[in-house]
Amino acid sequence: QKEVEQNSGPLSVPEGAIASLNCTYSDRGSQSFFWYRQYSGKSPELIMSIYSNGDKEDGRFTAQLNKASQYVSLLIRDSQPSDSATYLCAVWRQKVTFGTGTKLQVIP
Amino acid sequence: GAGVSQSPSNKVTEKGKDVELRCDPISGHTALYWYRQRLGQGLEFLIYFQGNSAPDKSGLPSDRFSAERTGESVSTLTIQRTQQEDSAVYLCASSRGVGGSQPQHFGDGTRLSIL
Repeated sequence: QKEVEQNSGPLSVPEGAIASLNCTYSDRGSQSFFWYRQYSGKSPELIMSIYSNGDKEDGRFTAQLNKASQYVSLLIRDSQPSDSATYLCAVWRQKVTFGTGTKLQVIP
Repeated sequence: GAGVSQSPSNKVTEKGKDVELRCDPISGHTALYWYRQRLGQGLEFLIYFQGNSAPDKSGLPSDRFSAERTGESVSTLTIQRTQQEDSAVYLCASSRGVGGSQPQHFGDGTRLSIL
């Protein structure tokens, strides 16, 4: 079992819809969780961090964490074509482990 | 500096040559990380530094790879006797510390091509 798992996609959503990206992790003791966005040919950039159970909202982005079920998700409301990118989930316990990313395509 | 700076941005070299990649972290960031990303693949952890020490070298692919950091600042990743499978983007990231609440901030990477 991979330490951090993401569906590679591509996940295609129409413009204006909600995109839901999911990530599961294997280490129950994981403490910090991050979402990065990576445009093609560019380096990852931090979007959200979340540390406790529940939802955390920042503009059109909402991160959701459920430690009991060992998953973290990222919701993007009112998806725009500019949101098309690969989204990386990262999990920390003693060290950071990245998932392989989910490719999101927002169709105009 | 304002962000993580990596140089060169692109490097093309012949198989068998040595290459040196440089990373200048954000000022005040004590932790520094190196990753490799092959085309269309995820991030592959190589090594991290806390200060000038490297507690975790587990990701270095072979003894041809080495890294050092001096002055709790600039780090260099050296690849000796390069092979074609070393072709990839090498990303450097830094964070305020290695604690769990500290996100990593990435540089633009060095795109390495081995002919």
